[in-house]
Amino acid sequence: AQRVTQPEKLLSVFKGAPVELKCNYSYSGSPELFWYVQYSRQRLQLLLRHISRESIKGFTADLNKGETSFHLKKPFAQEEDSAMYYCALSLHFSGGYNKLIFGAGTRLAVHP
Amino acid sequence: DGGITQSPKYLFRKEGQNVTLSCEQNLNHDAMYWYRQDPGQGLRLIYYSQIVNDFQKGDIAEGYSVSREKKESFPLTVTSAQKNPTAFYLCATAWKGESYNEQFFGPGTRLTVL
Repeated sequence: AQRVTQPEKLLSVFKGAPVELKCNYSYSGSPELFWYVQYSRQRLQLLLRHISRESIKGFTADLNKGETSFHLKKPFAQEEDSAMYYCALSLHFSGGYNKLIFGAGTRLAVHP
Repeated sequence: DGGITQSPKYLFRKEGQNVTLSCEQNLNHDAMYWYRQDPGQGLRLIYYSQIVNDFQKGDIAEGYSVSREKKESFPLTVTSAQKNPTAFYLCATAWKGESYNEQFFGPGTRLTVL
């Protein structure tokens, strides 16, 4: 069965420390993975997708098919990075249907 | 952000009552989704629709119903059959041109059953 696992409910770091939010997936096909972020009092929004291999707000994420992981990393955390982060897996069905499966989320708290 | 609106922001319901949550969008997106967000469980898909007059059950559709009579609107009804309806409900949209992968979210409705 398709599944996304984020093992940490809370990750607490100090400003300037490296950050790694873990995401593991279970999927038999070729995965399309995403990171979504929800800042306080803001809407959930896309942070980055593995296909584009981009860096957004200093965050990067590499798809590791061997380890079925898509961890989100940032070398130096900032206080404004404090938010809820969700890893998501895209599933495509016949007929053109698509849906996202989300992990349980990890709350990142960056302390001054 | 104003492209997707959800109303009301807060909703209180007595047990045994049906309630309808509104979701409207002016982004001209084809697909619309309803999620339920509970602490520690992430987002779980209730229903989704990719064209007018058609919708599909998600992972937790029991006790919910939807309609898609217009492209702009995708209301969700929480029926009395839903055993634990107290939650935060999120509506989202997606564009066919992006293979529906990037979803845009509304501000949410918090439903509390008294």
